[in-house]
Amino acid sequence: DGGITQSPKYLFRKEGQNVTLSCEQNLNHDAMYWYRQDPGQGLRLIYYSQIVNDFQKGDIAEGYSVSREKKESFPLTVTSAQKNPTAFYLCASRVNRGTGSLVDEQFFGPGTRLTVL
Amino acid sequence: EDQVTQSPEALRLQEGESSSLNCSYTVSGLRGLFWYRQDPGKGPEFLFTLYSAGEEKEKERLKATLTKKESFLHITAPKPEDSATYLCAVPNHSGGYQKVTFGTGTKLQVIP
Repeated sequence: DGGITQSPKYLFRKEGQNVTLSCEQNLNHDAMYWYRQDPGQGLRLIYYSQIVNDFQKGDIAEGYSVSREKKESFPLTVTSAQKNPTAFYLCASRVNRGTGSLVDEQFFGPGTRLTVL
Repeated sequence: EDQVTQSPEALRLQEGESSSLNCSYTVSGLRGLFWYRQDPGKGPEFLFTLYSAGEEKEKERLKATLTKKESFLHITAPKPEDSATYLCAVPNHSGGYQKVTFGTGTKLQVIP
């Protein structure tokens, strides 16, 4: 089955620790995204990548880092510099076959819930 | 800057009572609009992409429509299993990069 997997489902972090959230997709999509979701707020974009070895900061990138060494993988590291990391993290991939294309769809993984102890 | 506003924030319906959810947006050149369903503790489930004003798409009891300023998600004769948060989002291709801006969602509760 094609889809997006995220691991772990639940993650607990101690103060001062860096943690890495995994995101893998087998949809052959070029674009991948990381969002953060907090209660009562919309999804906020952390980082996105349109192609391997390229990524851009989103609206709330401070305290986060990413890499895109393979098309299928887009891991997110939450560093100790992120002051309020407790949230639900969502990874997505997107197919958009160019300007004027009639295929533009973004799919999400199941999410990782990160809690700071 | 693109903005997406959803209303109402919450909606409570009796089973079988049809209604509509609204998504209004301000974008510099509409290139499409996404609708999602999200259950508690899960990732959003993709429902539709609407590409241009006047377009409509249907899936079971859901029908999405698009105008130049807003989109509606019509729910016909809803069932309790339709209870979820419904999100809309707008792609932004400014500067050659493909961002997506989300609304805060409408939480739908369908009561038996």
